[in-house]
Amino acid sequence: LAKTTQPISMDSYEGQEVNITCSHNNIATNDYITWYQQFPSQGPRFIIQGYKTKVTNEVASLFIPADRKSSTLSLPRVSLSDTAVYYCLVGAGNNRKLIWGLGTSLAVNP
Amino acid sequence: NAGVTQTPKFQVLKTGQSMTLQCAQDMNHNSMYWYRQDPGMGLRLIYYSASEGTTDKGEVPNGYNVSRLNKREFSLRLESAAPSQTSVYFCASTGGRNYGYTFGSGTRLTVV
Repeated sequence: LAKTTQPISMDSYEGQEVNITCSHNNIATNDYITWYQQFPSQGPRFIIQGYKTKVTNEVASLFIPADRKSSTLSLPRVSLSDTAVYYCLVGAGNNRKLIWGLGTSLAVNP
Repeated sequence: NAGVTQTPKFQVLKTGQSMTLQCAQDMNHNSMYWYRQDPGMGLRLIYYSASEGTTDKGEVPNGYNVSRLNKREFSLRLESAAPSQTSVYFCASTGGRNYGYTFGSGTRLTVV
């Protein structure tokens, strides 16, 4: 199962674009890359999922290079309410063996 | 709104007491999961159910039992609570191979 590595914490300011990169050198051919957001006292919430190239939705963009050994979650123009922990997971969407690391704690400052 | 509903939201137990955490989803998902989240540990899988009628152990099953009552409901039981089971418990479900998890809002359990 592919292990992921992402920064423990990041700081930003309101209105800036935030990019969080995740490394997954052992990603398998059938694996998808999924990002979740978690606020204090809440369960993680699905943000975006992709397999290759670029995926965009109303919340974020996900950039995946051709070798798929890393991915970057891009949050445009962050606000204070984007302060949360962001998790990168690699594997099939319903894979019970998905490894949840500690994620990246993003702090958005005024 | 459609989603995963967990009850109760908070619970305090004395060591040795038992309780059942309830979880229900209304998205017609096949797979359901119970996780615990502790500071500095990330989410850890306790039990999961790939489909109605099946359950299997996850990473940290000791001290817990589960029941997949029907397609909607998946309960977690602590038979004899211990302080080490103080944690936040999350139920989740998935609808297919490449769909993400939908999580409930969690149960904060304290065992004294």
